[in-house]
Amino acid sequence: SAVISQKPSRDICQRGTSLTIQCQVDSQVTMMFWYRQQPGQSLTLIATANQGSEATYESGFVIDKFPISRPNLTFSTLTVSNMSPEDSSIYLCSVSHLRQFEYGYTFGSGTRLTVV
Amino acid sequence: DAKTTQPPSMDCAEGRAANLPCNHSTISGNEYVYWYRQIHSQGPQYIIHGLKNNETNEMASLIITEDRKSSTLILPHATLRDTAVYYCIVMGGSSNTGKLIFGQGTTLQVKP
Repeated sequence: SAVISQKPSRDICQRGTSLTIQCQVDSQVTMMFWYRQQPGQSLTLIATANQGSEATYESGFVIDKFPISRPNLTFSTLTVSNMSPEDSSIYLCSVSHLRQFEYGYTFGSGTRLTVV
Repeated sequence: DAKTTQPPSMDCAEGRAANLPCNHSTISGNEYVYWYRQIHSQGPQYIIHGLKNNETNEMASLIITEDRKSSTLILPHATLRDTAVYYCIVMGGSSNTGKLIFGQGTTLQVKP
C-alpha cells in the first residue's frame, strides 16, 4: 500500500488567516481525498482531489473556503481559508490505488489544526 | 452506497475474541463490506474487506451472512492496542463513486 506524508502534523493559527496542508504519496495513485474530523466526531469527506482539474466538493463544502490542488498523481494540497475557531479539526488525506478493491484506502496521519 | 448500522460502543476482555457486528440490510449487487479502525489521534487503518465469502487476514476475520445483510468483524485475541473506533463501510457496486463515507462506528474498549 501507499505511504503518505502529510504536513504539517499540527498547527495553531490566528483567525482570519489561511493554512495549506500538503499530502505527498510515495507512488502514483488514482484517487485522493480530503477529510475533516471535528472533535469527538467521525470523518467527513470534504472533496475528491482530481488530477489536473477542479476538485469535486461534497455538500456543505465550497472551493472558496477549501481550495484544493492536485498538480500530479502523487501530491495534493488543501487550504483552509479565512479560518475561524469552528475550523479547528483534524484534516486527513486519503488515497486509493486502481486496485482499491484489493488493497483498501490509505490515510495520512492527519493535521491537527487549532484556530485561536 | 448502502448505509450501515453499528452499536456505538462495546467492551471486550483482553485475550478474548472481539466480535463487532454491522448491519447493512440495503447492500446490493457487487458492493463490498470494508472495515477500518481509528486508534486515537491516528489516521484510519484498513483492516479487511469482503464481498460474499468469509475472509481472514493477519489482523482479523470477516464473517458475512449468506443474505449479505449483516457482517461481523472478529479480532480473535484482542489486546489493549486494539482499543479503537471501528468503522464498517459498504462501497462499490455499479454506482461506485470511489468515495469512502464514514458512519459513527463502534468504539471498542479492550479491558485488562
